[in-house]
Amino acid sequence: GQQVMQIPQYQHVQEGEDFTTYCNSSTTLSNIQWYKQRPGGHPVFLIQLVKSGEVKKQKRLTFQFGEAKKNSSLHITATQTTDVGTYFCVRKNQAGTALIFGKGTTLSVSS
Amino acid sequence: EPEVTQTPSHQVTQMGQEVILRCVPISNHLYFYWYRQILGQKVEFLVSFYNNEISEKSEIFDDQFSVERPDGSNFTLKIRSTKLEDSAMYFCASEYAGEQYFGPGTRLTVT
Repeated sequence: GQQVMQIPQYQHVQEGEDFTTYCNSSTTLSNIQWYKQRPGGHPVFLIQLVKSGEVKKQKRLTFQFGEAKKNSSLHITATQTTDVGTYFCVRKNQAGTALIFGKGTTLSVSS
Repeated sequence: EPEVTQTPSHQVTQMGQEVILRCVPISNHLYFYWYRQILGQKVEFLVSFYNNEISEKSEIFDDQFSVERPDGSNFTLKIRSTKLEDSAMYFCASEYAGEQYFGPGTRLTVT
């Protein structure tokens, strides 16, 4: 089946540094979603990418979907302590309903 | 802003007991889901529900689990005879336009 790997699993940065997490799929994805889960919290939808080569921005967050629709990335510029949490790239199952989460990238930020 | 709500926030039960976890999805959403997250692990899909019936379920969702939408607002997950390994955070989610909105979760502890 489809495997989506996300790296790194953990990342620690100093406040103000940039951060990037990468997802790679063994097969072409119809779309990919990104979720954030704060420590002790629940997953929160960030964005969905559908088109090949798509780039979307949300303030300091930039999301990209690769040309081949097999990889995606999330880049955070000038991290803040509020960015702490686990970021998941999430695909949908074959039926297009259930979300399939990986292990995500856990970001910690020190001030 | 509308939110998915879940009760209770924490449930402690003895092995072999039945538990019912409750969720109130966002009112105009039509697709509902249950996920679980064992401490320190990834979020796992359990079941999806649409039009008053299960549309999909994972291998985890065995005969011990059932879901119900007893009225127009509640969506429940029942575990018939809990096992130690059922200890986890259980998240309810409802979906609109491809985005899934997660509730705050119920932490189930089986002793």
